[in-house]
Amino acid sequence: SAVISQKPSRDICQRGTSLTIQCQVDSQVTMMFWYRQQPGQSLTLIATANQGSEATYESGFVIDKFPISRPNLTFSTLTVSNMSPEDSSIYLCSVGKGTGDAEKLFFGSGTQLSVL
Amino acid sequence: KQEVTQIPAALSVPEGENLVLNCSFTDSAIYNLQWFRQDPGKGLTSLLLIQSSQREQTSGRLNASLDKSSGRSTLYIAASQPGDSATYLCAHWGFGNEKLTFGTGTRLTIIP
Repeated sequence: SAVISQKPSRDICQRGTSLTIQCQVDSQVTMMFWYRQQPGQSLTLIATANQGSEATYESGFVIDKFPISRPNLTFSTLTVSNMSPEDSSIYLCSVGKGTGDAEKLFFGSGTQLSVL
Repeated sequence: KQEVTQIPAALSVPEGENLVLNCSFTDSAIYNLQWFRQDPGKGLTSLLLIQSSQREQTSGRLNASLDKSSGRSTLYIAASQPGDSATYLCAHWGFGNEKLTFGTGTRLTIIP
C-alpha cells in the first residue's frame, strides 16, 4: 500500500491568485497522478508526473495553468495558477503500487479549493 | 472512447440491508477494475481490485465481481451500516492505457 500526505486539506482563495498543493508519499514511486474533481462530478486526470521529466498533461489542461514539479521520487506539487471560480474543485494526487494488472491506485486525502 | 456508468446515481437503504452497486463499461478490453469509496470532501479509499484474470474479490462485508463479456462489475455490500454511507466509484485501466477511467459514482446513504 501507500500512505500519501496531501496539503493543504482545504483553502479559500481570491480570484487571480495561485495555490500550490503538496503531495508526499511514504515510498518511492515512478509516476504520480494529479486529478481534479469538480462539484458533483467524477475524477478527471490533469497530468502524470514522472521524476526527472516534464509532466504529461491531458487534453484540456496546460502547463501554464497547472504547473507541476516532481523533484524526487516521493514528492510532487501542483499549482493552480491565476485562479477563477471555475477552478473550485477537489484536487487529488495519487500513486500506483504493484505491477501489471495487480497495480492499485492510492489517493491522498484531497485538497478542497474554493475560489471567490 | 471508454465510458463508465454507475447506476443508480444515488441510493438510500435502511441499515442492515444487503445492497448491490453497479458499474457498466462500454469496452470489454479492460485490464483491471478497482472500487473506491469517497467521503464528502475527501480523497478516495481503495476497497477492492479485480485483476484481469479474476472474476471477483472479497474483503469483509464487500464482494466485487467482474464480467467482462457483459461489460459489468458489481459491488455487493452485506449487512449495511451507517458508516457505509459514502460515494462509491469504480475505475479501470484499459490495455495499453496508463490511466484510470472513473465511473460517475453512486452516492449511498444508509438510514439508521
